[in-house]
Amino acid sequence: LAKTTQPISMDSYEGQEVNITCSHNNIATNDYITWYQQFPSQGPRFIIQGYKTKVTNEVASLFIPADRKSSTLSLPRVSLSDTAVYYCLASMEYGNKLVFGAGTILRVKS
Amino acid sequence: NAGVMQNPRHLVRRRGQEARLRCSPMKGHSHVYWYRQLPEEGLKFMVYLQKENIIDESGMPKERFSAEFPKEGPSILRIQQVVRGDSAAYFCASSPRDFADTQYFGPGTRLTVL
Repeated sequence: LAKTTQPISMDSYEGQEVNITCSHNNIATNDYITWYQQFPSQGPRFIIQGYKTKVTNEVASLFIPADRKSSTLSLPRVSLSDTAVYYCLASMEYGNKLVFGAGTILRVKS
Repeated sequence: NAGVMQNPRHLVRRRGQEARLRCSPMKGHSHVYWYRQLPEEGLKFMVYLQKENIIDESGMPKERFSAEFPKEGPSILRIQQVVRGDSAAYFCASSPRDFADTQYFGPGTRLTVL
């Protein structure tokens, strides 16, 4: 049974780099990993998506090692406004399965 | 370019009534997803639809819940005979192609069952 696992919470300080790891067993070569950010009372917002090695955009990087058993969202130089819940989503082609992690609460302090 | 629209944003129902939640996907998107988020919990997948077809409903409760995405008009999530445990935020997302594509979420409908 496909499952994604994330840390429940993380604390950081402004200006630091934050890395949040998601463990996902049993994903195939072309299955995508997507990360979302959610603020209270709002819908999740797309951050980044990839299926192999490294992807970078203007707000984050996504690292997926060769064994694909995990992926890491990297947020460079976080600010107070990055305090939110972060979810990883595994989109599994076999069976068209969508599996969200339980979410990681990131608290950024000044 | 409007995003995903959901209405109503807040819905209050008494036990036993029906709740109908609407989702209008982004323009050009033919895939719709529904998720439920209980208070203080994460997102749980419910159902994935493409125009006029249910692709995956493995996350839907077996009774009282149904979803449709007609050829014309919004996607509807229908909950019959609501119970207090149905109180949650229901989010809709859409994507232009298949389920592996980036999903864009709506603001959610907060259902409260009295």
